Amino acid sequence: DQQVKQNSPSLSVQEGRISILNCDYTNSMFDYFLWYKKYPAEGPTFLISISSIKDKNEDGRFTVFLNKSAKHLSLHIVPSQPGDSAVYFCAASAANSGGSNYKLTFGKGTLLTVNP
Amino acid sequence: NAGVTQTPKFRILKIGQSMTLQCTQDMNHNYMYWYRQDPGMGLKLIYYSVGAGITDKGEVPNGYNVSRSTTEDFPLRLELAAPSQTSVYFCASKTPPGQGKATQYFGPGTRLTVL
Repeated sequence: DQQVKQNSPSLSVQEGRISILNCDYTNSMFDYFLWYKKYPAEGPTFLISISSIKDKNEDGRFTVFLNKSAKHLSLHIVPSQPGDSAVYFCAASAANSGGSNYKLTFGKGTLLTVNP
Repeated sequence: NAGVTQTPKFRILKIGQSMTLQCTQDMNHNYMYWYRQDPGMGLKLIYYSVGAGITDKGEVPNGYNVSRSTTEDFPLRLELAAPSQTSVYFCASKTPPGQGKATQYFGPGTRLTVL
């Protein structure tokens, strides 16, 4: 039972355009969401996060949107750059649940390719 | 600041052999985690620890053991390696409660092949 789903295995965009990566979740206990970026042969790198009390968080070219009623979040990258080409993982945590111990549940990832 | 370090980077084991994957963090984080990532899949939690002397199972603990004798180190032990344990293993640590919520910081990974 996949609690965090990234239904697009890959996405290709042109340099300078917007990249939109999507993520859906099923567990209503999740209250903290993160995006990680992963290059080949490296560990995941934290990119941006959002708490369930917000619907948007922005950090430079990266914005994460959260729609709690739809159990959906998205990551927008504007403008996209070739160096953004990587696998992006969506992750969720029941951070405010005492028994969660901040464990993360990950989606399968989306490979983003930004073409020059 | 080294962050989270893992050794070795690569390892090939024969079926039935044992090995320990090392993980060290220098950020004084209490929470540490071990994940495995299979091709085309997300990361799955193997074991985690909320502090020295305290460990607990994650989603896929079978075939693995852990110990946490110090805040810095969280080794993962494979006792009888099986081909199903061929994967990339990531160690992570988390900022203290109240700082960055559930944000975990990852090491570079250990690529393990069992033949």
